[in-house]
Amino acid sequence: QVQLQESGPGLVKPSQTLSLTCTVSGASISSGGYYWSWIRQHPGKGLEWIGYIYSSGITYYSPSLKSRVTISQDTSKNQFSLKLSSVTAADTAVFYCASTYCGGDCYPHLFDSWGQGALVTVSS
Amino acid sequence: EIVMTQSPATLSVSPGERATLSCRASQSVTSNLAWYQHKPGQAPRLLIHGASTRATGIPARFSGSGSGTEFNLTISSLQSEDFAVYYCQQYNNWAGTFGQGTKVEIK
Repeated sequence: QVQLQESGPGLVKPSQTLSLTCTVSGASISSGGYYWSWIRQHPGKGLEWIGYIYSSGITYYSPSLKSRVTISQDTSKNQFSLKLSSVTAADTAVFYCASTYCGGDCYPHLFDSWGQGALVTVSS
Repeated sequence: EIVMTQSPATLSVSPGERATLSCRASQSVTSNLAWYQHKPGQAPRLLIHGASTRATGIPARFSGSGSGTEFNLTISSLQSEDFAVYYCQQYNNWAGTFGQGTKVEIK
């Protein structure tokens, strides 16, 4: 069973870059067939997919955030990371990392394991 | 973008009773529909995928139905651990979109 844990600063100033890391256990992030995603939930709102990185390192981002998002991986630490630049108060949210394993039919946006989430507040 | 609409927003149910949650898609998602359970401070948990297939380890009291644009999640006899927020999500097309959630609370 894949387990994920988010970590990073809980408070970021406006215009700065939000950075979060997801530590993975139970699977290697470089193992074939895995997609590693970031998802966020604004206070009182629904869930929004941000982007993913495939085990090969290929990335795909939500068009609405693409200009500000970078997802990368560190295979030596079995972690993947999110950077969101030029943040505003509207980026205040709980951020989740999640995984998808594609063993047969592949749906990268079907998330079979999630982290507990990390609240990031954008405020001066 | 496919918009997912869940109803009701809140469902008050007594333990042991049956609960039925609804989810509607703004266009057909075939059977590419998932349900997640989310408790405060915990990781969301995949319950159902393919509209009606229970994920590994999910009790049989959880069942999903529907296809196209109309879907239901039924909890046949609510247990104390089932009080949570439930989200539907379509993964039929790009990005996968979620509903706003249904909170199942103790009556």
